[in-house]
Amino acid sequence: ETGVTQSPTHLIKTRGQQVTLRCSSQSGHNTVSWYQQALGQGPQFIFQYYREEENGRGNFPPRFSGLQFPNYSSELNVNALELDDSALYLCASSIPGTKDEQFFGPGTRLTVL
Amino acid sequence: GNSVTQMEGPVTLSEEAFLTINCTYTATGYPSLFWYVQYPGEGLQLLLKATKADDKGSNKGFEATYRKETTSFHLEKGSVQVSDSAVYFCALKGAGNNRKLIWGLGTSLAVNP
Repeated sequence: ETGVTQSPTHLIKTRGQQVTLRCSSQSGHNTVSWYQQALGQGPQFIFQYYREEENGRGNFPPRFSGLQFPNYSSELNVNALELDDSALYLCASSIPGTKDEQFFGPGTRLTVL
Repeated sequence: GNSVTQMEGPVTLSEEAFLTINCTYTATGYPSLFWYVQYPGEGLQLLLKATKADDKGSNKGFEATYRKETTSFHLEKGSVQVSDSAVYFCALKGAGNNRKLIWGLGTSLAVNP
């Protein structure tokens, strides 16, 4: 069974650029959640996708957008990057009815200069 | 809204010492409660969980009991090892279909030999 994978591992961008982060969910998991973890902080919920539809969103501006594909993999897109977007971006997958357990990928470290 | 308050770190202990990391929460209804661990350079891993009042979650010598009356879910271990050095996060999931997790800020634990 393959776990949750994320790409790229690290990324450096400049202010104003756009970035796409990718996540492959664990086999059979149809729900993907994205979190932003700033240095020294707990993760903050960005949004969740269930069967290709957005299923909840945290307090993030519209320049954070997402997509889920038929194979349940997912993308997080961030437009007009700001310095404060520098963080570790975590993807987690889960299956409804498994008592809420989410499985996390290793994350993508984004640095905005 | 739902929130998690976690004991601030860093916590530094000697090997074989007793560990307690406090976690309290605010939520409506009956949330599920979790402890996640993040080892250096790695992603988040579920350590233990409890889904109803008075449940005790346990794993790898760690324990936490869901206390509805005190809205707490304190993490304990009787004898820590150097390999337990990591950041520990308390999290909750509220009632409902949205599977987003609300996180504490994390507590860094360093265990010295």
